[in-house]
Amino acid sequence: QSVLTQPPSVSGAPGQNVTIPCTGSNSNIGGGYNVFWYQQLPGAAPKLLIYLNSNRPSGVPDRFSGSKSGTSASLAITGLQSADEAVYYCQSYDINLSGLKMLFGGGTELTVL
Amino acid sequence: EVQLVESGGGLVQPGGSLRLSCVASELRFSHYEMMWVRQAPRRTLEWLAYIDSRGDKILYKDSVEGRFTISRDNDKNSLYLHMNNLSAEDTAIYYCATFDYWIDFWGQGAQVTVSS
Repeated sequence: QSVLTQPPSVSGAPGQNVTIPCTGSNSNIGGGYNVFWYQQLPGAAPKLLIYLNSNRPSGVPDRFSGSKSGTSASLAITGLQSADEAVYYCQSYDINLSGLKMLFGGGTELTVL
Repeated sequence: EVQLVESGGGLVQPGGSLRLSCVASELRFSHYEMMWVRQAPRRTLEWLAYIDSRGDKILYKDSVEGRFTISRDNDKNSLYLHMNNLSAEDTAIYYCATFDYWIDFWGQGAQVTVSS
């Protein structure tokens, strides 16, 4: 079970908007650590989608946006397209007695109906 | 376009060893921090090992420390992961990736299957 919690699946019709939450705790997201989002299309490697909570790399459409508040973060996708069907992972860092560790959420599979 | 190409995956028996390689192109490899990340079947992503640009600083996830060794050869634009004492729980796709506080680029992955 991942320390960063995501719903296993979300769905929406073409053109609709969806939001994927990523819930952490005070030792990771709530501790001030940034959040990143990756998109993994079927059969492909993950790809960076959002960095430093809300920034899009070059080439990522502005239909994708990220936000962070308290111990949680969210990825919003507007104007759903069939090409958006993928698994989305959030990523942050956690500090404990063993030091600073990279964490991934469990992933959320997006289905475009 | 940046390319990271992994090789060396395959089928290995429990207790066996394997060395993965990753060759980078279209980037100044010697300037990049690198890491290995794996994805077990139907599982999430899992960070395994990190190495800084010169190989001076190395970090491992607790569960693989002592069994896995990350290294690099900047003259060959190559990253390596030597894995020992493999078990079924190590079955996964292994990705090499560039790291700059987040993962910029990913390889296509190498399948490692541990089974008798």
